[in-house]
Amino acid sequence: AQSVTQLGSHVSVSEGALVLLRCNYSSSVPPYLFWYVQYPNQGLQLLLKYTTGATLVKGINGFEAEFKKSETSFHLTKPSAHMSDAAEYFCAVSAPGTDKLIFGTGTRLQVFP
Amino acid sequence: DSGVTQTPKHLITATGQRVTLRCSPRSGDLSVYWYQQSLDQGLQFLIQYYNGEERAKGNILERFSAQQFPDLHSELNLSSLELGDSALYFCASSGAKLKPYNEQFFGPGTRLTVL
Repeated sequence: AQSVTQLGSHVSVSEGALVLLRCNYSSSVPPYLFWYVQYPNQGLQLLLKYTTGATLVKGINGFEAEFKKSETSFHLTKPSAHMSDAAEYFCAVSAPGTDKLIFGTGTRLQVFP
Repeated sequence: DSGVTQTPKHLITATGQRVTLRCSPRSGDLSVYWYQQSLDQGLQFLIQYYNGEERAKGNILERFSAQQFPDLHSELNLSSLELGDSALYFCASSGAKLKPYNEQFFGPGTRLTVL
């Protein structure tokens, strides 16, 4: 069975500050891991993914995440927050060959000027 | 724009009623997925179809059913609606072939309100 835990339902940062959104996963098989972003009244957009290979993955809009097997974590970071980053962020896990995405509960990011 | 379209955008109905949500996948995509996003349950996978056949099932209620038609569009049917069925229903689609990983592209969703 697979599951995802996102620590912190709300995160607030100042514009220009570091963004860190936490995600821990549980999986009985090597996981595929994803971060999605949801802007108000819109669908989900893939930010980045880890399937195999390099554990530091870069995504769109300056975001990156590092797969740490020893910590079962896949935290999302961005060095400098922008007002346009305000949205809800979802971490998700799937098992190879299943396609079914198991989502975390989401973290709402607020960016203050 | 992901290329996945969903209709209608909003739907308001009463308890006990039946509704149909429609999804058109991206051109060339054979897989369609349905997800439910509610305040209580978060984002949950409901069901996946691949080229007209059911491929995976998640937490889908017996009152709910789905199908994928020969032109690859999909419909999600919700019947005997309850207040708790109020949610945002997303459709996603992915690739032409089954691979270990298939990126899913999400539509804008249908917001269902049951009064």
